[in-house]
Amino acid sequence: KQEVTQIPAALSVPEGENLVLNCSFTDSAIYNLQWFRQDPGKGLTSLLLIQSSQREQTSGRLNASLDKSSGRSTLYIAASQPGDSATYLCAVRRGSTLGRLYFGRGTQLTVWP
Amino acid sequence: DAGVTQSPTHLIKTRGQHVTLRCSPISGHKSVSWYQQVLGQGPQFIFQYYEKEERGRGNFPDRFSARQFPNYSSELNVNALLLGDSALYLCASSPTLMGQENYNEQFFGPGTRLTVL
Repeated sequence: KQEVTQIPAALSVPEGENLVLNCSFTDSAIYNLQWFRQDPGKGLTSLLLIQSSQREQTSGRLNASLDKSSGRSTLYIAASQPGDSATYLCAVRRGSTLGRLYFGRGTQLTVWP
Repeated sequence: DAGVTQSPTHLIKTRGQHVTLRCSPISGHKSVSWYQQVLGQGPQFIFQYYEKEERGRGNFPDRFSARQFPNYSSELNVNALLLGDSALYLCASSPTLMGQENYNEQFFGPGTRLTVL
């Protein structure tokens, strides 16, 4: 069974800081890993998708890395802004199923001005 | 381009009732998945459908059922509602190109907030 853990559960930082959010998974036989953002009471917005053969992906101020052998991924947010405040979810997809994602509980991020 | 749409946005039901939630995938996407997200937790997989066939089922009771229509839209049905069914129900679609499954990205709708009283 695939277990996904995200650390820390919550993070509160002043604007401008560079942040690191961590995700770990127990089964390294994954197809890909996705990072999502969720605003309170809303759906999920896909931020980055990393294929199992890739080491990292970048989009604007976001950079995600993947170390499949150690079962870890890191989401790096540069120069944080109050608009980055949201819950960030990590999800992995196993190769044995067509599309099932296994999610962590998320990291709740607050960036204050 | 329209994203994944879900209806209704909010729903209030009482215990024992039945509910139907609807999802329209992104145009051209043939795979639809359903997830349940209880407050404070990550989404849990319920079902996946591809080309109108069930391709995966999570650890949910038989009170939960779903189907996919020829236009790839989908319905999630829950019978005999319990208080514990109160959650945000999320629908996701992906292109699921056969032979390129490794590259599929899942796109989520805004969800349906179900409250069971």
